[in-house]
Amino acid sequence: GAVVSQHPSWVICKSGTSVKIECRSLDFQATTMFWYRQFPKQSLMLMATSNEGSKATYEQGVEKDKFLINHASLTLSTLTVTSAHPEDSSFYICSARPLTGDPPYEQYFGPGTRLTVT
Amino acid sequence: GQQLNQSPQSMFIQEGEDVSMNCTSSSIFNTWLWYKQDPGEGPVLLIALYKAGELTSNGRLTAQFGITRKDSFLNISASIPSDVGIYFCAGHLGGSEKLVFGKGTKLTVNP
Repeated sequence: GAVVSQHPSWVICKSGTSVKIECRSLDFQATTMFWYRQFPKQSLMLMATSNEGSKATYEQGVEKDKFLINHASLTLSTLTVTSAHPEDSSFYICSARPLTGDPPYEQYFGPGTRLTVT
Repeated sequence: GQQLNQSPQSMFIQEGEDVSMNCTSSSIFNTWLWYKQDPGEGPVLLIALYKAGELTSNGRLTAQFGITRKDSFLNISASIPSDVGIYFCAGHLGGSEKLVFGKGTKLTVNP
C-alpha cells in the first residue's frame, strides 16, 4: 500500500513553454501533498505544501506564479511550471501524507519527474 | 533553514560488512525517518521513529531515535550489493508537518 505515482516520469520542453506534472496517491487519500525539487547530488528541497481545496503554501524563495499548484482532490495534486527556463531543469518529486492512519506523520514519495528545459 | 547534519557523506564498503550512519541537529525533532533513494527514483521509506529512545528494525536495518531527540542513527548489517544508494534522514520539527532532510549518505557496496 501507500503508492504514489507521478506523470510524466520525464519531460523535455522548450524554453518559454509550460509543463504540468501530476501526483496521485493510488491507494489512499492524502490530506496533504508536498512538492520538492532535487538538483544532482543534492538533497530534497521543499517547494510547497498543498492541501486539498485550499491554496498551496510556498517556501521562501519559491515563486508561486511560476510554480502553480492545484490540489483538486484527495488523490491528485498538480504542479505546473510556467514559462519554463533552463534553470528550471531539475528532478521534481511529490509526496503525500495519508488522511488517516496510525502513525499520521509519514510521507510517501512518488518516483519523481525529470524536467529538462532546452 | 533548519538543517540536519548527516554523516558520513559517502561510504565505500565490501559486501558483508556492517554500515552505520547518523544524523544530528541542534533542534529537537518529534519524528525521525530514514529513506533510501536509488538513482532517478523517489525516496522510499525504510524506518520511521516516533519516540525518544525508540529502536526499530526492518530486516537488516536498525534505527534509533536518540534520547535527546536531536539525533538518530541507521545501521545496516551484512550489506549486499542492492543496498547501494543514497540514504537520507528526515524529521519533523515541533508540530510542523514539513519534513527537514539531511544531505544524504551515498553508499557503495563492492561485491
